[in-house]
Amino acid sequence: DADVTQTPRNRITKTGKRIMLECSQTKGHDRMYWYRQDPGLGLQLIYYSFDVKDINKGEISDGYSVSRQAQAKFSLSLESAIPNQTALYFCATSDSGRPNEQFFGPGTRLTVL
Amino acid sequence: AQTVTQSQPEMSVQEAETVTLSCTYDTSESDYYLFWYKQPPSRQMILVIRQEAYKQQNATENRFSVNFQKAAKSFSLKISDSQLGDAAMYFCAYRSWFTTRYNAGNMLTFGGGTRLMVKP
Repeated sequence: DADVTQTPRNRITKTGKRIMLECSQTKGHDRMYWYRQDPGLGLQLIYYSFDVKDINKGEISDGYSVSRQAQAKFSLSLESAIPNQTALYFCATSDSGRPNEQFFGPGTRLTVL
Repeated sequence: AQTVTQSQPEMSVQEAETVTLSCTYDTSESDYYLFWYKQPPSRQMILVIRQEAYKQQNATENRFSVNFQKAAKSFSLKISDSQLGDAAMYFCAYRSWFTTRYNAGNMLTFGGGTRLMVKP
């Protein structure tokens, strides 16, 4: 079984709709991250959470919100989706005891029409 | 803020030959980590190799090795004996260390990627 899972894997939605992307992990890591990948670009950090009570904005947080429901779950929401949020979204985790490696989920491809 | 640049959008290599992917970065830190990630068509981000800046010895993982030039802020990836399964996007990443109000931790800054094609 995968250690970091993301649901859904693919999603097509319309402009203005609210969308939630979910991430779950069984690695027992305390730190979780959401990244966005646009074609031809590397990953950009949207939000990160060092534990359930510590959530912080990343480079490109406008238009997004997050919720850390438990240590193992970190959700990303688009309150009102717009076409330029069409991208590949990755969740990642890391362990505060071994902070130098992040483990990535399989990604969610989101298309906003 | 740190920046990571990969100047080669695409590279190709013949199967069994060697290829080198380039990466440069900008930082004022003295202690940091650098990574190469592989992203095959499956989209999964896979860690290939890491380098600790305070270590002078270049990291090696089987057919993958790096040429880390700290003064030049250069971090290239060499793939020897290229295989068809090496075809993928490759991303160079820099680890920044920072603190929040309650914690300290790391953030990854990625380059734009290099698409590697392997010819049979």
